[in-house]
Amino acid sequence: NAGVTQTPKFRILKIGQSMTLQCTQDMNHNYMYWYRQDPGMGLKLIYYSVGAGITDKGEVPNGYNVSRSTTEDFPLRLELAAPSQTSVYFCASSAPNGGPLTGELFFGEGSRLTVL
Amino acid sequence: AQSVAQPEDQVNVAEGNPLTVKCTYSVSGNPYLFWYVQYPNRGLQFLLKYITGDNLVKGSYGFEAEFNKSQTSFHLKKPSALVSDSALYFCAVNTGTASKLTFGTGTRLQVTL
Repeated sequence: NAGVTQTPKFRILKIGQSMTLQCTQDMNHNYMYWYRQDPGMGLKLIYYSVGAGITDKGEVPNGYNVSRSTTEDFPLRLELAAPSQTSVYFCASSAPNGGPLTGELFFGEGSRLTVL
Repeated sequence: AQSVAQPEDQVNVAEGNPLTVKCTYSVSGNPYLFWYVQYPNRGLQFLLKYITGDNLVKGSYGFEAEFNKSQTSFHLKKPSALVSDSALYFCAVNTGTASKLTFGTGTRLQVTL
């Protein structure tokens, strides 16, 4: 059982370039999330999805886009990379509230992005 | 807005001693509270949670946390620390819909021999 898989693990971008961070999960979770982690700042929610075809903004969505065409996949798109987007990005998934795993997020290993 | 605060950037403790990592919360309504741990270059892992019921919750690796409604706190504890417990610990609160979590800024736990 692979859990949540993110690719790539590392990437260096030039200002203005675009890229997509891939995320896939094999636990049949309805909910998926993208967080970014910056030193001393904890994790901030970028976008989330409650199911295929449904996405919504989190706390820091500017500069990012997402799509959710399948239950398994939740890619994060950076259209015009900026130095402020240098961060570690984490994808996570969870089962809906109400069951025994309420609120428990399963995280990928992270994608470290540097924008120069 | 709902939030959690972790007042200590770092906690240092000797192996074998008890440890406490502090967390306070601010929410409207009943809180769902969580602790996660992050080892170097890894994603976060779930440790334990409080949803309802007993104020003392037990989790993975011998960790426990006490929910205190009057003090709006959810401190993480372990009776006897191990060097392998050294990691970054995050407190989080469920912000209602879609199991979204709001995280604290994290506390680095350093356990030394």
